[in-house]
Amino acid sequence: NAGVTQTPKFQVLKTGQSMTLQCAQDMNHNSMYWYRQDPGMGLRLIYYSASEGTTDKGEVPNGYNVSRLNKREFSLRLESAAPSQTSVYFCASRPSGGDQPQHFGDGTRLSIL
Amino acid sequence: SQKIEQNSEALNIQEGKTATLTCNYTNYSPAYLQWYRQDPGRGPVFLLLIRENEKEKRKERLKVTFDTTLKQSLFHITASQPADSATYLCALERGTYKYIFGTGTRLKVLA
Repeated sequence: NAGVTQTPKFQVLKTGQSMTLQCAQDMNHNSMYWYRQDPGMGLRLIYYSASEGTTDKGEVPNGYNVSRLNKREFSLRLESAAPSQTSVYFCASRPSGGDQPQHFGDGTRLSIL
Repeated sequence: SQKIEQNSEALNIQEGKTATLTCNYTNYSPAYLQWYRQDPGRGPVFLLLIRENEKEKRKERLKVTFDTTLKQSLFHITASQPADSATYLCALERGTYKYIFGTGTRLKVLA
């Protein structure tokens, strides 16, 4: 019963470094999401994948890329990290169906110096 | 653009009382609204969903109301316990696959 697993849990980067955040779900969900959570800003959608083979931009996609590797895995890449990308990143998945809830991982805490 | 407002100030209540949290939204008419609980250092966990044609939904000590005229949802926890202390988030659907989350309200139940 792992649900949504995110790795790593913590990471510190220097400005300009690259990094890939990994996310995997074992619930056979079609849709997957990446959010960032900042104090006072709430959860903001970065990218989502409605189904395997598709990805779409969310509210704050600049500076990020994603890959839906297969149905289970959805990764988020920072090509050239900036201090403004310091945040907590959450991955979520959801079954098909309009009103299905999202299932979240426990986040990756990323600091960029 | 769509906007969701939750009381950003923490809500402190005494154990046994009813906690009421508010979610207001503008510029949209969602088909449904969800409430999540988030504990420190953890991801949000789904609690309840209410559809636009439902006035009220209950689950154990939790109750959610949805007033599409006022564009407001209220989330109630009756007989509150210290274990209910957490941040509570509301989320609106924004199309088939996307959601907008509020900033959350931190609830502290005092023993």
